[in-house]
Amino acid sequence: QVQLVESGGGVVQPGRSLRLSCVVSGLNFSGYALHWVRQAPGQGMEWVALIWFDGSDKYYGDSVKGRFSISRDKSKDTVYLQMNNLRAEVTAVYYCAKGGGSTGDFLDVWGQGTTVTVSS
Amino acid sequence: SYVLTQAPSVSVAPGETARITCGAINIGFETVHWFQQRPGQAPVLVVYDDDDRPSGIPDRFSGSNSENTATLTISRVEAGDEADYYCQVWDDGSDQVIFGGGTKLTVL
Repeated sequence: QVQLVESGGGVVQPGRSLRLSCVVSGLNFSGYALHWVRQAPGQGMEWVALIWFDGSDKYYGDSVKGRFSISRDKSKDTVYLQMNNLRAEVTAVYYCAKGGGSTGDFLDVWGQGTTVTVSS
Repeated sequence: SYVLTQAPSVSVAPGETARITCGAINIGFETVHWFQQRPGQAPVLVVYDDDDRPSGIPDRFSGSNSENTATLTISRVEAGDEADYYCQVWDDGSDQVIFGGGTKLTVL
């Protein structure tokens, strides 16, 4: 079955960078869009980014534009989220999710998440 | 950008019907998706494209969408349905995924 496994989270100091990874298995990696979504402690879902099936298009949430970057590597079946100049407000569980339907604009399979804590 | 409004909480007795709404101007023209998130777990898609169910989701879960309100209906509610529920759309105007604020379903 389709599985998404995130990694790369941890405790990081403000101003530093971090790269999250998500390995996808059980499907043709190059056939699907992929998303990142985050959830701060006790809060709701916040969409972070989307990368098109072939990497040709990328979209970002307003709060991360210019600081986060999404990419994918088909040789490793992996999608990445590069996060720069981290601030306390990005502390959250980060989920990757597979885009569903023909346009990939909803999230039909989710990983279990990786936790990012920004703290000095 | 597009805003989806959900009530913070809904309570229902076991066996009854829960209706969780997601409001926005002309949301009936959008395609709405619904997620369930049990405590400490990742979200799970329970309804997509307004009223379709992924495989493995019980037919107690159904969706509808019209005018200014989309609704997730859970029939014959069980204790295991207690969770947070989120609606979601794709906003063409901003090219972003938009989530509602979430509704906590409590089974009394």
